[in-house]
Amino acid sequence: EPEVTQTPSHQVTQMGQEVILRCVPISNHLYFYWYRQILGQKVEFLVSFYNNEISEKSEIFDDQFSVERPDGSNFTLKIRSTKLEDSAMYFCASRLEAVEAFFGQGTRLTVV
Amino acid sequence: GQQVMQIPQYQHVQEGEDFTTYCNSSTTLSNIQWYKQRPGGHPVFLIQLVKSGEVKKQKRLTFQFGEAKKNSSLHITATQTTDVGTYFCAEPPWSNTGKLIFGQGTTLQVKP
Repeated sequence: EPEVTQTPSHQVTQMGQEVILRCVPISNHLYFYWYRQILGQKVEFLVSFYNNEISEKSEIFDDQFSVERPDGSNFTLKIRSTKLEDSAMYFCASRLEAVEAFFGQGTRLTVV
Repeated sequence: GQQVMQIPQYQHVQEGEDFTTYCNSSTTLSNIQWYKQRPGGHPVFLIQLVKSGEVKKQKRLTFQFGEAKKNSSLHITATQTTDVGTYFCAEPPWSNTGKLIFGQGTTLQVKP
């Protein structure tokens, strides 16, 4: 069964450093998303991406965040200067036209 | 901002007992989706409800959408230890970028 894959599974970084979280969405999907989940809390929308551009972003997705789809398969989330409060699980998701969003296994980001 | 309120936050049941989680919105929803997240896992799509008053069943799970399309519930009959996890309702807002606004989730613990 096709799945969304994310790397790395766990990233530890120092405050102020840049991180890039990587995702390979399901190959024929058209819509891509990043969500985050602070430990024990709900899943929060960060950004949606369609047709090679951001279609919507939340208040959380400030100038420190950026997304790219550098080639036909990868979808990345970059945080330029990490803060302690960026520590969370980051989920990539993709979907075709259908209802269902498929989530990756997540990257646990720990900022120290 | 848009949000769906979900209760209860936690539920501990004895195996074999029933379980229900509720989602409420102050605004009319276009549709509502339900996801399950196992401990340490990622959200997995369960179902989407679209029509007013809709009821759908998946084995021991019964999903309902309110007549006014402002509330929804998930009921599990005769819980099993495999039902353990956090159940989220999620609202795709009318903006139709496909983003999801998640409820706070109900974490279900099942005692064998």
